[in-house]
Amino acid sequence: GAVVSQHPSRVICKSGTSVKIECRSLDFQATTMFWYRQFPKQSLMLMATSNEGSKATYEQGVEKDKFLINHASLTLSTLTVTSAHPEDSSFYICSANPPAGGIQETQYFGPGTRLLVL
Amino acid sequence: AQKVTQAQTEISVVEKEDVTLDCVYETRDTTYYLFWYKQPPSGELVFLIRRNSFDEQNEISGRYSWNFQKSTSSFNFTITASQVVDSAVYFCALRTNAGNNRKLIWGLGTSLAVNP
Repeated sequence: GAVVSQHPSRVICKSGTSVKIECRSLDFQATTMFWYRQFPKQSLMLMATSNEGSKATYEQGVEKDKFLINHASLTLSTLTVTSAHPEDSSFYICSANPPAGGIQETQYFGPGTRLLVL
Repeated sequence: AQKVTQAQTEISVVEKEDVTLDCVYETRDTTYYLFWYKQPPSGELVFLIRRNSFDEQNEISGRYSWNFQKSTSSFNFTITASQVVDSAVYFCALRTNAGNNRKLIWGLGTSLAVNP
């Protein structure tokens, strides 16, 4: 299957700092990547769709200036949580769709990043 | 409206029991995809299966099997002879072909605990 990596796996930061999370598709090119947020014991909440070479599409209620997304290449998308606060503490997960070949309809997920803001 | 319902929030079984996780979906689209993902305690989502709306064949993969029934809009997942390693949260998801949108509609998940 397609492999997606995510870095860092865990980060602890002070309130007010910015945190960057990287999502990479390791063995395929992904024109579209997705960023999710998951609170404990809850389902996944889509934050935004990251499109290579264009602006991300944010879901309703997600602050664009708070969660900056950059999809600069076909294998890398980044999510920056700017001026993080304790309420931003969560599990952030990215996913990517392979572009073609039958498995294109499947989203493959990274291992997730646990963010704790003190 | 599109929706995925996983009515079972938590299930607890003893090892070697069979267990079925229910998934009911709603969509008006004729072309759509259904998925099951497993999320173990580590947090990583593991893809289990994709089924498109034109393929109603049931599928078996080892101890896992899936029963897709369009008549009841259900895509249920059965684990035979469950093992402790099957303990995880299982999510059912739906994606339609509407537009160029690849977003998934997620169920709330079913937490499965397999006890020794």
